[in-house]
Amino acid sequence: NAGVTQTPKFQVLKTGQSMTLQCAQDMNHNSMYWYRQDPGMGLRLIYYSASEGTTDKGEVPNGYNVSRLNKREFSLRLESAAPSQTSVYFCASSELPDTYTGELFFGEGSRLTVL
Amino acid sequence: AQTVTQSQPEMSVQEAETVTLSCTYDTSENNYYLFWYKQPPSRQMILVIRQEAYKQQNATENRFSVNFQKAAKSFSLKISDSQLGDTAMYFCAFMTNRDDKIIFGKGTRLHILP
Repeated sequence: NAGVTQTPKFQVLKTGQSMTLQCAQDMNHNSMYWYRQDPGMGLRLIYYSASEGTTDKGEVPNGYNVSRLNKREFSLRLESAAPSQTSVYFCASSELPDTYTGELFFGEGSRLTVL
Repeated sequence: AQTVTQSQPEMSVQEAETVTLSCTYDTSENNYYLFWYKQPPSRQMILVIRQEAYKQQNATENRFSVNFQKAAKSFSLKISDSQLGDTAMYFCAFMTNRDDKIIFGKGTRLHILP
């Protein structure tokens, strides 16, 4: 079972470059999320999507854009990367709102370094 | 805005001991859910336990249990008979019924010592 798949797993960028992190889930989940994890900061929510066609800002949305392409896919774009965006990025999905269990299913993470 | 606070950045206990991880949260909502997630060195996030705020009974999952104090907005995780495999980062998380936003605390790094 694939679950939540993120690509790429590793990426090195130069300041000012752009890139897109891709995320896909095969569990027919409604909600999808992008988090970033930094040492001492825990997981911080960047954007989330409660359903296909909707997106909402999380705690740290500045410098990012997202697209909920369809029910399966939720991409995160950095238009002009900055060193402060060096982080590990996690995509997650959940069955919300149907079941309201709230359990998140995570991808393996993508390590992004901005030089 | 909702916030989640984990006041213990790091803890160490001997194998087979009991350990309690603290979590407090702030919200004006009445209906919400609380979670504990585990992140071992593999970096994979794993749900440990969840609690619905409307349930007074504390959730338990084998060696893991919570002490949910709604009035105090406290949600601690107790790990009994700790095992080496419990070594991990533990995150407390919060979600309301109002939206699908799920936010996390900064985490507690737990070391189980042989």
